[in-house]
Amino acid sequence: AQSVAQPEDQVNVAEGNPLTVKCTYSVSGNPYLFWYVQYPNRGLQFLLKYITGDNLVKGSYGFEAEFNKSQTSFHLKKPSALVSDSALYFCAVRGENNAGNMLTFGGGTRLMVKP
Amino acid sequence: DAGITQSPRHKVTETGTPVTLRCHQTENHRYMYWYRQDPGHGLRLIHYSYGVKDTDKGEVSDGYSVSRSKTEDFLLTLESATSSQTSVYFCAISEPPGGGTSVFASTDTQYFGPGTRLTVL
Repeated sequence: AQSVAQPEDQVNVAEGNPLTVKCTYSVSGNPYLFWYVQYPNRGLQFLLKYITGDNLVKGSYGFEAEFNKSQTSFHLKKPSALVSDSALYFCAVRGENNAGNMLTFGGGTRLMVKP
Repeated sequence: DAGITQSPRHKVTETGTPVTLRCHQTENHRYMYWYRQDPGHGLRLIHYSYGVKDTDKGEVSDGYSVSRSKTEDFLLTLESATSSQTSVYFCAISEPPGGGTSVFASTDTQYFGPGTRLTVL
């Protein structure tokens, strides 16, 4: 079985400040980890993923995520938040042996960036 | 959302009526998925397809059926809609894990359509 936890329903940050959106996971074998963003009334947009290699993954719009195997975490980060980053963020995981490529999603974290 | 369309985008129906949602892709991806999105639950997988006529159940498949008669179309049917099926439904596509060719930057990443908002009264 695979699962994802996003412990914060909402994260508030001031524009220009660094942001972190937390994600922890549970999966059999090595994890494939993903972050998606959803703007109002839109589908999910792919931000970045971790498969293997460097623990720091860089993605779209200046976002990055840090994979920590010992803590089973994959936190999303950005050095300087923009008001336009305000959206709903989803972390997702699948195990390396998941032949159906089935993702399990966290409940989502709403990011609010205040001017 | 490029290359993936969903129809209808909005639908209101009554309890007990059948409903079919359509997902259409122009990317020739082999895998297709149906999810539902509900507050606090993130996205939950309903059914997926790993090829034409090849489908399997996901986490929340009760009350739903699917069909895939050609690569580009994946249909989700609610045989007799209930109020608990009021939700936003998303389709996604991907290549098989570890293989395939793709015009997108990453194979096996799932890419999502714009969604269908379904209300069952």
